[in-house]
Amino acid sequence: DGGITQSPKYLFRKEGQNVTLSCEQNLNHDAMYWYRQDPGQGLRLIYYSQIVNDFQKGDIAEGYSVSREKKESFPLTVTSAQKNPTAFYLCASSVVSGNTIYFGEGSWLTVV
Amino acid sequence: GQQVMQIPQYQHVQEGEDFTTYCNSSTTLSNIQWYKQRPGGHPVFLIQLVKSGEVKKQKRLTFQFGEAKKNSSLHITATQTTDVGTYFCATGGSGGGADGLTFGKGTHLIIQP
Repeated sequence: DGGITQSPKYLFRKEGQNVTLSCEQNLNHDAMYWYRQDPGQGLRLIYYSQIVNDFQKGDIAEGYSVSREKKESFPLTVTSAQKNPTAFYLCASSVVSGNTIYFGEGSWLTVV
Repeated sequence: GQQVMQIPQYQHVQEGEDFTTYCNSSTTLSNIQWYKQRPGGHPVFLIQLVKSGEVKKQKRLTFQFGEAKKNSSLHITATQTTDVGTYFCATGGSGGGADGLTFGKGTHLIIQP
């Protein structure tokens, strides 16, 4: 089954802790992305990667980190420096030459 | 980066009525894409428009790209309960799209049976 798999779907974090959200794709896409969604805010780009071992900051990268060691994987770490991390996180991918983005099912992160 | 503004933020319609959402930009856009997100789900690609004045149809959905490539619209004819969700417009970055799309805030479509 081709697609983008995000895990976990729900995650609770204590303040001061780092958490890592997993994103794996088997679509053979070169580009991968992380978006954050808050109510009424639409989707905002956190980080993106066009190729393995390379990634760029998006509009709201502060308090987040990523790695791209494999083409299939683009994990996102939400660090303790992120002031308001409670949100819905969406991973996505696309072919580099095209614009259409395919999303995973998302991960809900709640800080308790 | 490029920004797109969507209106309205919320739209309540009776089932069977038409629905339109608008996407506007102050700058010329290279392309516009539309996505639908069902409640509790993730955004799903609907269509991409790239040409000035382009019109595309998908069953009851009609998508338009303005002549100046600064605005776009999505029109749904005779809404059904399956149309419920949030509709987003998005535009590609200057890097050909692989540097991420910029999304509007979305229009929430609420349908009353």
